[in-house]
Amino acid sequence: SAVISQKPSRDICQRGTSLTIQCQVDSQVTMMFWYRQQPGQSLTLIATANQGSEATYESGFVIDKFPISRPNLTFSTLTVSNMSPEDSSIYLCSVVTGGRRETQYFGPGTRLLVL
Amino acid sequence: AQSVAQPEDQVNVAEGNPLTVKCTYSVSGNPYLFWYVQYPNRGLQFLLKYITGDNLVKGSYGFEAEFNKSQTSFHLKKPSALVSDSALYFCAVRALWANNLFFGTGTRLTVIP
Repeated sequence: SAVISQKPSRDICQRGTSLTIQCQVDSQVTMMFWYRQQPGQSLTLIATANQGSEATYESGFVIDKFPISRPNLTFSTLTVSNMSPEDSSIYLCSVVTGGRRETQYFGPGTRLLVL
Repeated sequence: AQSVAQPEDQVNVAEGNPLTVKCTYSVSGNPYLFWYVQYPNRGLQFLLKYITGDNLVKGSYGFEAEFNKSQTSFHLKKPSALVSDSALYFCAVRALWANNLFFGTGTRLTVIP
């Protein structure tokens, strides 16, 4: 398994500002993912972040809005830029482990409220 | 393409009774199937997975799930529900060729004392 921590755990931000969320894993992992969970909704994949390459974004998500860094095999950041109230969500970091990348584990999430 | 359906938004069950949370999936090829649980104000916790082998898989907290290929289902079950099982449950699928999970919409389980 993997132990994942996220900072901050929650934040309240003003419209137009940006927030950077940090994700730290207790072991080296190749693949990391960032998900969004809007209020009352399921999880939606934002992007896949592999160390040493640019993040791959899902349809509907762009790098200018959600820039991602992956400087090493245990750490990643997601920035939510130029925030609006529609960005109010839980943002979750996730990693896969196992010989066949079988199991995906999730961090505790960052609860973001944009006013 | 991958998709997951959880047909019930809400499931209520009395404490001590058996519970079932339903999940059906669609994926090309053989699937990896997962159940996760989300308690209030918490992240997702991994419960169990089906990769290959026995169709009945056992997971954390006494939960189990049965993979049924002909019905493309992976229902979550527990013989005797506890009040502490009340939470939001997500079914997820990953095709062998994919890197990430695709989630269902979630089922809120309420166990009534």
